[in-house]
Amino acid sequence: QVQLQESGPGLVKPSETLSLTCAVSGYSISSGYYWAWIRQTPGKGLEWIGTIYHSGNTYYNPSLESRVTVSVDTSKNQFSLKLTSVTAADTAVYFCARRGRETRGGYNYVAYYFDSWGPGTLVTVSS
Amino acid sequence: QSALTQPPSASGSPGQSVTISCTGTSSDVGGYNYVSWYQQHPGKAPKLIIYDVNKWPSGVSDRFSGSKSGNTASLTVSGLQAEDEADYYCSSYAGSNSWVFGGGTKLTVL
Repeated sequence: QVQLQESGPGLVKPSETLSLTCAVSGYSISSGYYWAWIRQTPGKGLEWIGTIYHSGNTYYNPSLESRVTVSVDTSKNQFSLKLTSVTAADTAVYFCARRGRETRGGYNYVAYYFDSWGPGTLVTVSS
Repeated sequence: QSALTQPPSASGSPGQSVTISCTGTSSDVGGYNYVSWYQQHPGKAPKLIIYDVNKWPSGVSDRFSGSKSGNTASLTVSGLQAEDEADYYCSSYAGSNSWVFGGGTKLTVL
């Protein structure tokens, strides 16, 4: 059973960089799957931030792409999020999640949902 | 990418059925059969309850069902129970390895 756990500062100053890490247990990141960051802002619901494959291929939300970097460290079995030039609008609960995968006929196929989530971590942007 | 549109609230009495809508565009909901629904209790992480429009993950009650027509997807909760009171979010694949979520619907069991 895979488990994900977010960690990082709970308070970030405006214009600085938000940095979070997601530790994965119960599964080796290097064995496959895509891994994602999703955030939840009060009153605006969930927002997909970006996804990374274990090989390092990344995909970002166009609205955040200029400020986002997602990276993976297979040696530590974790992946990370960096969001630069933060403002109060970036105050949110940040979740890391795993994109699902389905097995059919002995082959693995990427799925189009997120099947495992971390508990989330609140990041407040304030001076 | 714009967020999918959900009603902010829905309610029903125990035993009744309630349906929550999720409206997108032809670039997301209408373009792919990859709509998923998540249930979120206060202070908890979202939990996948429906994927690929109308499929259930293992262990999820069949009281939850999904459907889609055009650019609108729907989640129906049948036989409402007190434990169903939660926030529900829809999500759709939007192409090019991107996703869009809805604003969430707070379901109240009266």
